[in-house]
Amino acid sequence: AIVLNQSPSSIIASQGEKVTITCRASSSISSNYLHWYQQKPGAFPKLVIYSTSYRASGVPSRFSGSGSGTSYSFTISRVEAEDVATYYCQQGSSNPNTFGAGTKLELK
Amino acid sequence: EVQLVESGGGLVQPGRSLKLSCAASGFTFSNYYMAWVRQAPKKGLEWVATISTSGSRTYYPDSVKGRFTISRDNAKSSLYLQMNSLKSEDTATYYCARVATEGNWFAYWGQGTLVTVSS
Repeated sequence: AIVLNQSPSSIIASQGEKVTITCRASSSISSNYLHWYQQKPGAFPKLVIYSTSYRASGVPSRFSGSGSGTSYSFTISRVEAEDVATYYCQQGSSNPNTFGAGTKLELK
Repeated sequence: EVQLVESGGGLVQPGRSLKLSCAASGFTFSNYYMAWVRQAPKKGLEWVATISTSGSRTYYPDSVKGRFTISRDNAKSSLYLQMNSLKSEDTATYYCARVATEGNWFAYWGQGTLVTVSS
């Protein structure tokens, strides 16, 4: 199984700050198969970025993604209060589909 | 608007069975692969099963293979998860999700249904 190592496990950021989360895969993944989700407290997960860099419908432009091979990143250019959530990367390249352990974003 | 509504969760004893359902609306159900993803309390996400559009192909991780069965009824726009020989480690919120096969991402999620396995 492809293991996804997400870091950091938690971030405390100020509003307006730029934050970046990395996701490193144990084997190379096609960029088509690396995705990011946002899960707000008490809610179900929501797709934010698919295929490395494409924003899902309705997702603000402050969210972006990049990467290739085994190294991917997710960035919020200017954090807003509504972005408080846990973020997960996921690979769909091979079964079993796997998720990173999550990065919890909190506001300072 | 895409809607996925899970049901069937509850408290069940170890070794017993439970069947979850997911009612889909707002899209042509028969055109999409569907999946179940679970989340243990205070833990991360774990993929549980995926089914093809016709139901002829199913996929599972080793953790549930042989115990869980995913199925669908396209006439009823419904997805199911039959869970047998339940273990305490199966305790989780189970989410139904629509799959985008271009990259195997989970495009839409339901609200989830909680399964608690305990004596």
